[in-house]
Amino acid sequence: NAGVTQTPKFQVLKTGQSMTLQCAQDMNHEYMSWYRQDPGMGLRLIHYSVGAGITDQGEVPNGYNVSRSTTEDFPLRLLSAAPSQTSVYFCASSSNTRYEQYFGPGTRLTVT
Amino acid sequence: DQQVKQNSPSLSVQEGRISILNCDYTNSMFDYFLWYKKYPAEGPTFLISISSIKDKNEDGRFTVFLNKSAKHLSLHIVPSQPGDSAVYFCAARVLSGTYKYIFGTGTRLKVLA
Repeated sequence: NAGVTQTPKFQVLKTGQSMTLQCAQDMNHEYMSWYRQDPGMGLRLIHYSVGAGITDQGEVPNGYNVSRSTTEDFPLRLLSAAPSQTSVYFCASSSNTRYEQYFGPGTRLTVT
Repeated sequence: DQQVKQNSPSLSVQEGRISILNCDYTNSMFDYFLWYKKYPAEGPTFLISISSIKDKNEDGRFTVFLNKSAKHLSLHIVPSQPGDSAVYFCAARVLSGTYKYIFGTGTRLKVLA
């Protein structure tokens, strides 16, 4: 099992560009989520999904879109990148019958 | 508003002694609490959890205590080892239609050899 994989590992964008952060899991987990980690702010929930076709907003959803067309994949789209979106992004997944989440290795995004 | 708070950004402890990491919460709808450990340049990894109907859960060197009246939980690590040096995040699950997890800001633990 690869667990939770995220691509790319690093990305630099210019303000206004768009991009998609990829997240995939091979554990057949129903629940998937995206977080961003910023210094002094901890992990903040962006969007989450309890199953294919179902998504919901977290604490900081503005500027981000998600969709969940398959159980395995949960991409995060930045519509028009801003410097405030410079952060480390983590994807996580869990089974609906367990509480602990499994995290990917993260994507470090810099917006200039 | 920060529903899950870790008020100590950092903590240093001597090897072999007890490490106590604290977490406070404000939302009475949290039904499960978890602790995660994070090393630099890696994703967080699950450490231990506790249901809101319990007051203690133990797993090896790690024990989590929950005080519902004070809305406070703590993670005890005994004995502390240099490999425990990491950032520790407290997290809570809230049921609201579906469910989601809210994380604290983290505490950086340094275990001194």
